[in-house]
Amino acid sequence: DQQVKQNSPSLSVQEGRISILNCDYTNSMFDYFLWYKKYPAEGPTFLISISSIKDKNEDGRFTVFLNKSAKHLSLHIVPSQPGDSAVYFCAASLDSNYQLIWGAGTKLIIKP
Amino acid sequence: KAGVTQTPRYLIKTRGQQVTLSCSPISGHRSVSWYQQTPGQGLQFLFEYFSETQRNKGNFPGRFSGRQFSNSRSEMNVSTLELGDSALYLCASRVQGGSEKLFFGSGTQLSVL
Repeated sequence: DQQVKQNSPSLSVQEGRISILNCDYTNSMFDYFLWYKKYPAEGPTFLISISSIKDKNEDGRFTVFLNKSAKHLSLHIVPSQPGDSAVYFCAASLDSNYQLIWGAGTKLIIKP
Repeated sequence: KAGVTQTPRYLIKTRGQQVTLSCSPISGHRSVSWYQQTPGQGLQFLFEYFSETQRNKGNFPGRFSGRQFSNSRSEMNVSTLELGDSALYLCASRVQGGSEKLFFGSGTQLSVL
């Protein structure tokens, strides 16, 4: 049973436009969410996180939105750049449990 | 500060063999986690070690084992390799655990023939 789901395996966006990556979760006890970005042949790198006490966190071009009632979070990238082409993973955790639960990833392709 | 280092980078083995992968965490990080990544499956958690003790374990068979040394370096062992074990194995470290972000190595690409 997948507790964290990224239903879009891939997403194609024009350079300069907004990229929106989605993530759904089933466990309402998750209280911390993270987004990681992964280039081929490299390990994932941390992008942005959000605690369940907030509904929005912003860092430069990246904003994460959390909708607890819908058990949904999204990552917005504005404006999208060619270097943003990568696989994006969302992950969730229970603060009392050290384990992160990961989604399957979404491959983002930025078209010039 | 050096990042997380994983060796070897690539490995080719045959079915039935065993393999040992190595991970050196960032200096000062005491938690090391191991993940398996296969196409379309995301990151599957194998186990986490903290101060030489296994703190968490994922749903993998007993053929997958690990250990952590006093200098926080960690090894992962897979015995009796199967074709389905072909994957990218990622190691990640963090200072202690909880909600801290993980720092990943570049992974070991294991191919089982």
